[in-house]
Amino acid sequence: EPEVTQTPSHQVTQMGQEVILRCVPISNHLYFYWYRQILGQKVEFLVSFYNNEISEKSEIFDDQFSVERPDGSNFTLKIRSTKLEDSAMYFCASRLSPSSGKLFFGSGTQLSVL
Amino acid sequence: ELKVEQNPLFLSMQEGKNYTIYCNYSTTSDRLYWYRQDPGKSLESLFVLLSNGAVKQEGRLMASLDTKARLSTLHITTAVHDLSATYFCAVDMSGTGNQFYFGTGTSLTVIP
Repeated sequence: EPEVTQTPSHQVTQMGQEVILRCVPISNHLYFYWYRQILGQKVEFLVSFYNNEISEKSEIFDDQFSVERPDGSNFTLKIRSTKLEDSAMYFCASRLSPSSGKLFFGSGTQLSVL
Repeated sequence: ELKVEQNPLFLSMQEGKNYTIYCNYSTTSDRLYWYRQDPGKSLESLFVLLSNGAVKQEGRLMASLDTKARLSTLHITTAVHDLSATYFCAVDMSGTGNQFYFGTGTSLTVIP
């Protein structure tokens, strides 16, 4: 079965540093998402992306965050200046269309900000 | 603000028993999803419920959706240890499909 892949699986960074989390969505999918999950808490929506632009974003997704689809396969999340509270598991997800049903999730990137 | 609440948050049950997890949501939606998450792992899709009255079953798990009551249930039949995980429901917001709102999660532990 096709899958969403994320790299790296773990990322440790110093507070104030920039990080880029990478995702390769399923190849024929058109809608892309980033979610995060702080340890032991629920999964929170960050941003959705379609047709090379942001469709929707949450309050969490402030000016420190940006997303990009630099080529036909990658989808990235950049955090410009990391804070301690950015430490979380970040999940990328994709689906063919809103009517196609479920989101397919990647295995996640565990980000630790020290 | 959309709220998706699950009940209970924590559930400890013995093998062989039955139990139901509830998912209530605060806005109109006819699309609801159930996911399973093992510790430190990603989210695995269990069920996709796309209309009022939808019922899906897979093994010892059965999910249903009542859009009028804004309620979905995940019923566990004859629990086994392998079902121990955290279960999340998620709602498509307002039919736009642009994002899912996840519930608070139910941490299930099945005791041998």
